[in-house]
Amino acid sequence: IAGITQAPTSQILAAGRRMTLRCTQDMRHNAMYWYRQDLGLGLRLIHYSNTAGTTGKGEVPDGYSVSRANTDDFPLTLASAVPSQTSVYFCASSESGQGAHTEAFFGQGTRLTVV
Amino acid sequence: QKEVEQNSGPLSVPEGAIASLNCTYSDRVSQSFFWYRQYSGKSPELIMSIYSNGDKEDGRFTAQLNKASQYVSLLIRDSQPSDSATYLCAVRGVYKLSFGAGTTVTVRA
Repeated sequence: IAGITQAPTSQILAAGRRMTLRCTQDMRHNAMYWYRQDLGLGLRLIHYSNTAGTTGKGEVPDGYSVSRANTDDFPLTLASAVPSQTSVYFCASSESGQGAHTEAFFGQGTRLTVV
Repeated sequence: QKEVEQNSGPLSVPEGAIASLNCTYSDRVSQSFFWYRQYSGKSPELIMSIYSNGDKEDGRFTAQLNKASQYVSLLIRDSQPSDSATYLCAVRGVYKLSFGAGTTVTVRA
């Protein structure tokens, strides 16, 4: 079934540890996104990539890094986790990322708790 | 100012009534506008997209766009208990897709 797969689905992480959230899509979409969702704040963009080999910073990039080595994968890394990074993380993709009339499709989310 | 703002809610409507959701955006060059529905504990799913000024209808849902006023809305007609969810307004700018905080709708049976 085509779509976006995130892993893990949930994780409890000790503060200071490094963690990579995985995201893979099989729709051959050019653009991919990472959002975090916190109660009352909606979805906030962390990083995005409009095509393989390029990335950009979103609204809340500090403490996170991404890479886009190929079209399908867009991992999000927390270099040294802090409790304020406790959140639900969503990966999304769209056919194009530069002003095109395309909607974003979402993965199932990763619930991360930093203690 | 947030890039995308929605009426905060929560919004409670009786079954069969019309639910009206509003959204404003700050980036005048935005060209694409979307409404997503998110059930509790689930990921957002697209229910409507609109690109041109005016109305767009899809079943019980109607999206309205006014680019001059930087305003987009969603009407849910004949609301059903299954419509109870959080509705997210999304606006595509040049390089990114930005979301509002969402409006939670509860349909009372």
